[in-house]
Amino acid sequence: NAGVTQTPKFRVLKTGQSMTLLCAQDMNHEYMYWYRQDPGMGLRLIHYSVGEGTTAKGEVPDGYNVSRLKKQNFLLGLESAAPSQTSVYFCASSYFGKYNEQFFGPGTRLTVL
Amino acid sequence: SQQGEEDPQALSIQEGENATMNCSYKTSINNLQWYRQNSGRGLVHLILIRSNEREKHSGRLRVTLDTSKKSSSLLITASRAADTASYFCATDYGQNFVFGPGTRLSVLP
Repeated sequence: NAGVTQTPKFRVLKTGQSMTLLCAQDMNHEYMYWYRQDPGMGLRLIHYSVGEGTTAKGEVPDGYNVSRLKKQNFLLGLESAAPSQTSVYFCASSYFGKYNEQFFGPGTRLTVL
Repeated sequence: SQQGEEDPQALSIQEGENATMNCSYKTSINNLQWYRQNSGRGLVHLILIRSNEREKHSGRLRVTLDTSKKSSSLLITASRAADTASYFCATDYGQNFVFGPGTRLSVLP
């Protein structure tokens, strides 16, 4: 099993450009999450999904959109990138939400110039 | 303000020593989890302790939970250089988890 994979690993964008980050999991988990990690601030939840076709806002959703068309995939989109979105983005999945451990992907390092 | 917060922010010890880090939280929880993150990598789950449990062990790891004090501690015994990493506690809050800013542990050979 590959676990949780993220594509791409690195990306540099110019302000105003758009991009999509892809997260895939092969563990048949119901819940999937997108976090951003900034220095000294731990992880902050952007959006999450409790199952195929569902999405919900987390702590810092502004400037991001998500979609969960297939159970195994969770996409994070930036419509118009801003320098404040420079961060490391982590995807995670869990079998049943907060009562289970989360499995994390390796991260995507995004720089917005 | 954060639901969970680790203490200390950074810790340096010699190989073979024990490392203790603490997590305090603000509201009642169903469970608390500890994760490790090696530099430049994703987080790896270490231990989950439920609110009705007081102590759990996993190899060289020992986690305690004191719900009356709203705090937890992670003890790593006989530390190794490979234990050098950041350690995060995560507490459930609403439907999700909230992660603290982490403790950076350096184990010196």
